[in-house]
Amino acid sequence: GAVVSQHPSRVICKSGTSVKIECRSLDFQATTMFWYRQFPKKSLMLMATSNEGSKATYEQGVEKDKFLINHASLTLSTLTVTSAHPEDSSFYICSARNGRGADTQYFGPGTRLTVL
Amino acid sequence: EDQVTQSPEALRLQEGESSSLNCSYTVSGLRGLFWYRQDPGKGPEFLFTLYSAGEEKEKERLKATLTKKESFLHITAPKPEDSATYLCAVPINQAGTALIFGKGTTLSVSS
Repeated sequence: GAVVSQHPSRVICKSGTSVKIECRSLDFQATTMFWYRQFPKKSLMLMATSNEGSKATYEQGVEKDKFLINHASLTLSTLTVTSAHPEDSSFYICSARNGRGADTQYFGPGTRLTVL
Repeated sequence: EDQVTQSPEALRLQEGESSSLNCSYTVSGLRGLFWYRQDPGKGPEFLFTLYSAGEEKEKERLKATLTKKESFLHITAPKPEDSATYLCAVPINQAGTALIFGKGTTLSVSS
């Protein structure tokens, strides 16, 4: 149980384009999902918290207009990187937490974004 | 300031050579401490959650313990497949949802 998937696993795009990353909880309903970013040899940094049916909460320093988050259902959250630039290249990882009081976050396999 | 510090940054062990990884934290009102394993290019894999000082949890060759200031991840008789980066994290908000991660300990086990 507690499986989280992400799609795509890798994406390469040109500067100025937008990229959408999907995060799905496969065997449980996730009232809350989280988006993290990880640079090489660095730890995970929380970008935003996504609650189903409401607006995402962004961490300080994260541009909400650049990183659009939608949590349309209890099993799906999406992160759209708009007008991507090379400095947005990173490893993006989502996690999900089920809504029945358990507070462990289960992580997806990550998406490697490379912006040329 | 809430902080999570892991040591050592890197650890090389021979197969069968037991050791411990450390995670020290400074947060007000601990609402759990999480251990994850991360392989290169993959997302973190959940290992343990500890909630109170004195608590211990075990899984195969791993045992996690918690005191009021730190947590240890003990690895007994490690095998090469235990090679990975081990991350600890603590929640820093009231709801217990926003996790702050340590930088991790990269473990290499050679045969």
